[in-house]
Amino acid sequence: AQTVTQSQPEMSVQEAETVTLSCTYDTSESNYYLFWYKQPPSRQMILVIRQEAYKQQNATENRFSVNFQKAAKSFSLKISDSQLGDTAMYFCAFMKGTNAGKSTFGDGTTLTVKP
Amino acid sequence: DTGVSQDPRHKITKRGQNVTFRCDPISEHNRLYWYRQTLGQGPEFLTYFQNEAQLEKSRLLSDRFSAERPKGSFSTLEIQRTEQGDSAMYLCASSLAGQSDPYFGPGTRLTVT
Repeated sequence: AQTVTQSQPEMSVQEAETVTLSCTYDTSESNYYLFWYKQPPSRQMILVIRQEAYKQQNATENRFSVNFQKAAKSFSLKISDSQLGDTAMYFCAFMKGTNAGKSTFGDGTTLTVKP
Repeated sequence: DTGVSQDPRHKITKRGQNVTFRCDPISEHNRLYWYRQTLGQGPEFLTYFQNEAQLEKSRLLSDRFSAERPKGSFSTLEIQRTEQGDSAMYLCASSLAGQSDPYFGPGTRLTVT
């Protein structure tokens, strides 16, 4: 079974600064996907960024980028130029292959961006 | 809006009552997932469908829970004889088989009193 661990329950950052959220996972699979989701207060979960395990290049989406260390089973999210709208709970998730269906989520990191 | 929709958004029920939630996936998506999220935790997988076939059920899904997707479009999740421990957000997501990105709906928040 896969496990996903987010060791930072809460973090804060000043507006315009950079913050990194940590995620580690445990799996024996070689083909998998990793995701970061954002869940603003009382709003629905939104996919922020996705990384395919077979790709060595780290995924980037505008101000969001990941540091994927496959051997270390680490998948951190870096948010650059933090904005007030980035305040949310962030979840790291693992999905086995593309036809395995379910995702396994970490318990989340609550990020607060301060003005 | 062509995203995943869920109905109702909020449900308050008394212990012992039955409740049913509905999820309408993105129209071309053939996979549909149900998750449960309790306060301060990440979503936990309950079950998923490909078209009308239920392909996997979590051990979390007790006999009081049943899910259907009769025509491969919308899905329902029923909880019988609700208990206070069933209080949670029930999330639905959909995707295309062979593509990795599930899209989530807004969730149904269930409160059992």
